[in-house]
Amino acid sequence: NAGVTQTPKFQVLKTGQSMTLQCAQDMNHNSMYWYRQDPGMGLRLIYYSASEGTTDKGEVPNGYNVSRLNKREFSLRLESAAPSQTSVYFCASRPRSGGTLYEQYFGPGTRLTVT
Amino acid sequence: AQSVTQLDSQVPVFEEAPVELRCNYSSSVSVYLFWYVQYPNQGLQLLLKYLSGSTLVKGINGFEAEFNKSQTSFHLRKPSVHISDTAEYFCAVSDPGGNDYKLSFGAGTTVTVRA
Repeated sequence: NAGVTQTPKFQVLKTGQSMTLQCAQDMNHNSMYWYRQDPGMGLRLIYYSASEGTTDKGEVPNGYNVSRLNKREFSLRLESAAPSQTSVYFCASRPRSGGTLYEQYFGPGTRLTVT
Repeated sequence: AQSVTQLDSQVPVFEEAPVELRCNYSSSVSVYLFWYVQYPNQGLQLLLKYLSGSTLVKGINGFEAEFNKSQTSFHLRKPSVHISDTAEYFCAVSDPGGNDYKLSFGAGTTVTVRA
């Protein structure tokens, strides 16, 4: 199993450009999450999806949109990038049952710089 | 949302010395507690978790943590660290009352192990 994969690994955007960060998991998990990580602030939840077809806002949703394309894939879109969105973005997934019900599994991250 | 405080942002430690990373959370109601580790340029990996039962929880790589409900703390310890333990460590809390088990993270503690 590849676990949680994210593309791209690195990206540089100019202010105002748009892009989509891709996330996929092969563990048959129902829930998926997008976080951003900034120095001294830990990880903050941007959006999450409890199941295919549903999405909900997290702590810092402004400037982002998400799509739960199917059970495996959960994408994050920046419509008009701003320097404040420079960050490392992590995708995570979680099963809805079983012994690891409460654990989130993280991807390797996407390092985004907006100039 | 839960608030998580990691009391030390940086912890330098010599190899084979013990280390303790402190974590306090805001809520006095039942919570699930986690410690994650992030090695340089990687995603987050679960070290250990507390869901219920024994207050002393053992995790991977020789780490353990103690849950103290009265002090709302979940401190992480390792009796003897290795150079390979150099990483950032995150404490996280999940509220079991909801169905989504969203995680609230602390700001992180960077552990640097020196020879």
